[in-house]
Amino acid sequence: SYVLTQPPSVSVAPGQTARIACGGNNIGSKSVHWYQQKPGQAPVVVVYDDSDRPSGIPERFFGSNSGNTATLTVSRVEAGDEADYYCQVWDSTSDHYVFGTGTKVIVL
Amino acid sequence: QITLKESGPTLMKPTQTLTLTCTFSGFSFSTSEVGVGWVRQPPGKALEWLALIYWDDDKRYNPSLKDRLTITKDTSKNQVVLTMTNMDPVDTATYYCAHNAEAGRDYFDYWGQGTLVTVSS
Repeated sequence: SYVLTQPPSVSVAPGQTARIACGGNNIGSKSVHWYQQKPGQAPVVVVYDDSDRPSGIPERFFGSNSGNTATLTVSRVEAGDEADYYCQVWDSTSDHYVFGTGTKVIVL
Repeated sequence: QITLKESGPTLMKPTQTLTLTCTFSGFSFSTSEVGVGWVRQPPGKALEWLALIYWDDDKRYNPSLKDRLTITKDTSKNQVVLTMTNMDPVDTATYYCAHNAEAGRDYFDYWGQGTLVTVSS
C-alpha cells in the first residue's frame, strides 16, 4: 500500500522558516493535503490540493508538491505554530486515504 | 456551520464489538458528493484513516482493517455509524469522525472533537 514518510520532528527558532517534507512514490502526481494538530485537539486542514489554503489560514503556510516529495513551508514561525503536522493523500490504486507519519514542529 | 460529534463507549474489553456514532449538523446526505469518514489516533501516535461513506452509500475501507469495519449512515437522523469487531488493546485510540470536503475533493475539512476508546481486560 502507499506510504507517506515524514521526519519525526523539525526544530525552528521563532521568526525563521520551517519546512516539513512528505515523501511518497511519485507523490507529485497526487493532491496533497496538510493538517495541523495541537495537543488535545482535532486536526485542522492548513493546506489542501497541494497549495491552497482554507479561509482563515495565514499566508505563512505554503504547500508545494513535485516528484517524490511534498513540502509544507511555514514562514515567520510563531510559538503558536508548535504542533504536529500530517500530510495526506488519496491513494487511487487502493481507493483509500493515507496519512503521513507525522512531524512535530518544535519552536525553540 | 458544520459540526460533528462522536459518541460511544469509552471502555471496552478485548473481543467486544465497538459501535461509534457520529452525529452531525450543517450538511445532509441528501446533497450529492457529501461524505463522512472516520480516523483514529492511538495515544502519542499518528492518524490512521479507517473508513468513508458517501451520500450515494458508496463506502471505502482501510484495507488493513477492512474485515473488521462496517460503516453505515442514517440520512434521516444525520448520523454515521462505525462498527469495529474483535477489539484489542492496540485499538485503544481517539476516534474522530470528519466531513469530507465536497465537490469531489479527497480531504477532511471539518472534524469532530474525537472520543477516546480504551480497550482493556
